[in-house]
Formats: sequence, structure tokens, C-alpha cells
Amino acid sequence: EPEVTQTPSHQVTQMGQEVILRCVPISNHLYFYWYRQILGQKVEFLVSFYNNEISEKSEIFDDQFSVERPDGSNFTLKIRSTKLEDSAMYFCASSPSGANVLTFGAGSRLTVL
Amino acid sequence: GDSVTQMEGPVTLSEEAFLTINCTYTATGYPSLFWYVQYPGEGLQLLLKATKADDKGSNKGFEATYRKETTSFHLEKGSVQVSDSAVYFCALSGRNAGNMLTFGGGTRLMVKP
Repeated sequence: EPEVTQTPSHQVTQMGQEVILRCVPISNHLYFYWYRQILGQKVEFLVSFYNNEISEKSEIFDDQFSVERPDGSNFTLKIRSTKLEDSAMYFCASSPSGANVLTFGAGSRLTVL
Repeated sequence: GDSVTQMEGPVTLSEEAFLTINCTYTATGYPSLFWYVQYPGEGLQLLLKATKADDKGSNKGFEATYRKETTSFHLEKGSVQVSDSAVYFCALSGRNAGNMLTFGGGTRLMVKP
């Protein structure tokens, strides 16, 4: 069964460093998403991406965050200058259309020290 | 805004016990409702869904009925197995929100042999 793959599974970084989390969505999917879950808290929507541009974003997704689909295969989330409160599990998801159910990856755990 | 509230865990049951995980929601209009499950080390997987009032979603012995009058979508299973041990997330998608999901906090289920 097709799956969404995410790398790395766990990354530890120093505060202020840039981090790039990578996702390979399912190949025929057109809609891409990032969600995050801070330990012990809810899964929160960050951003959705369609047709090479952001379609929706939450208040969490400030200027420190950016997304890119650099090569038609990968979908990346960049955090420009990490803060302690960015420590969380980040989930990538994709969907074939705007009305279909999302398929999630296993997540990338980010720890900011 | 939209929100989902689900019972806090962990829920600990013996094998073959009856399971209920409560979920209530607040949303404008008529959202679609979902249950996602996260097994250890894996991503969020869709367990079941319902898109309109009185619909019953079912999968792998789990059921949930969309109750508009009580704004609820409780998850039930008649006889749990050790392999059902996981974290269960209730979520909704508003009609005009694309595929943006609003999640509950998750409920950890532990089933003992």
C-alpha cells in the first residue's frame, strides 16, 4: 500500500539552528500538509500546499516556517531559526484531492536544546 | 472556531472488554468526522469516518455514529484485543476548510492479555 515517508525520524538541534524536515508524499497525490504535535498536546494544523503554493496556513506558521516542493517528489518544511517551543512531532500528510481523506506519515520528532 | 474534545487516557482494559472512547465537537455547519489511530512508531491512520448526521462509520470491529443532536462521535468496539493498543484521535473537517483537520487530544488505549 502506498505510504507517506518522512525523514529524519528524529532530529536533535541547538536553538537558533535551521532545520529541514523532509516528506515524500504518495506519488499521485496533489495536496500536501504539515501538522505538528507538541508532547502531551493536540495535533495542530500548520499548512496546506496545492499547485505549488500555500493554500492555507495557521497562526503557528509564522515567518520562521516555510514549505517547498523542490523537485516534484519531496515536500519539505523548513524552520529558519529553531526555538525551544518548536520541539514537537511533525507529521506530513497528502491527499489525492481536496475532498479526500489524508494519508499521514510516521512523523519526524524534533528536539530543540 | 472548530474544536474537538475527547476523553483523556490512558484507558486500560482487559482483552475482550467493551471499549468506548467519548468524542464531542464544536463546529459551524456540518463537518465530516473521523477517528484516526496511531500504533507505536507509526503514523496516523484513518480508522473510520462519517460525513453526515446519523451515518455510522465502521472498520476492524470499531464503530462510531455521527450524532448531530449531541454533537458526538463516540468510538466503540465490542471486544478489544491486545493489538488494539494504540492512541486514538477524534477529528473533524469543516465543510469549507478543505482538508484541514481539527484534532482532539488523543486517547491512549492499553489492552492487557
